[in-house]
Amino acid sequence: KNEVEQSPQNLTAQEGEFITINCSYSVGISALHWLQQHPGGGIVSLFMLSSGKKKHGRLIATINIQEKHSSLHITASHPRDSAVYICAVTDGGSQGNLIFGKGTKLSVKP
Amino acid sequence: NAGVTQTPKFRVLKTGQSMTLLCAQDMNHEYMYWYRQDPGMGLRLIHYSVGEGTTAKGEVPDGYNVSRLKKQNFLLGLESAAPSQTSVYFCASSYYKGAMPYEQYFGPGTRLTVT
Repeated sequence: KNEVEQSPQNLTAQEGEFITINCSYSVGISALHWLQQHPGGGIVSLFMLSSGKKKHGRLIATINIQEKHSSLHITASHPRDSAVYICAVTDGGSQGNLIFGKGTKLSVKP
Repeated sequence: NAGVTQTPKFRVLKTGQSMTLLCAQDMNHEYMYWYRQDPGMGLRLIHYSVGEGTTAKGEVPDGYNVSRLKKQNFLLGLESAAPSQTSVYFCASSYYKGAMPYEQYFGPGTRLTVT
């Protein structure tokens, strides 16, 4: 069983829709990360959170430590949001290395 | 600041050849990492370093060696390339906040094909 599971694997949305990507994990963590990988391949960190909720523009990330679950929401989605979104957790028991999910491929149609 | 850079961006090797991938960061970060990304799989950690002169094995270290002689550089070596090492390689760096590394900054990736 993977330690970090994301759903859905693939997601197609119409421009303007509200999007939710889910992440569940099975290990003890010190933090959870959301990353974005654009079609060109580059990876950027969107959020790092250990409790509650963070917001940046149209992106919102939440985490429920008790349920070992996090969600990434995109409001008013746009074609430029098309990318692979990756959830990763900082393993609390190690040097702080990341354990990655397999990613959710999002395509937003105009 | 250039952030994290990787050299080369693309490379094709024949089985048995050797090569070195260079990662450089100008953010004075302590931690550096090498990952590989394969279709259908999440990023997997090859080796990492928590400071100049230190290295440690990650999840998939076999067939790779690393060195961190200078704080800003992290080298990944393939001594005898195999087709199974065909992948996209990402370098990343991060800094301390409290006792743990903070968010990671990624390089643009190196696409390696071994024939």
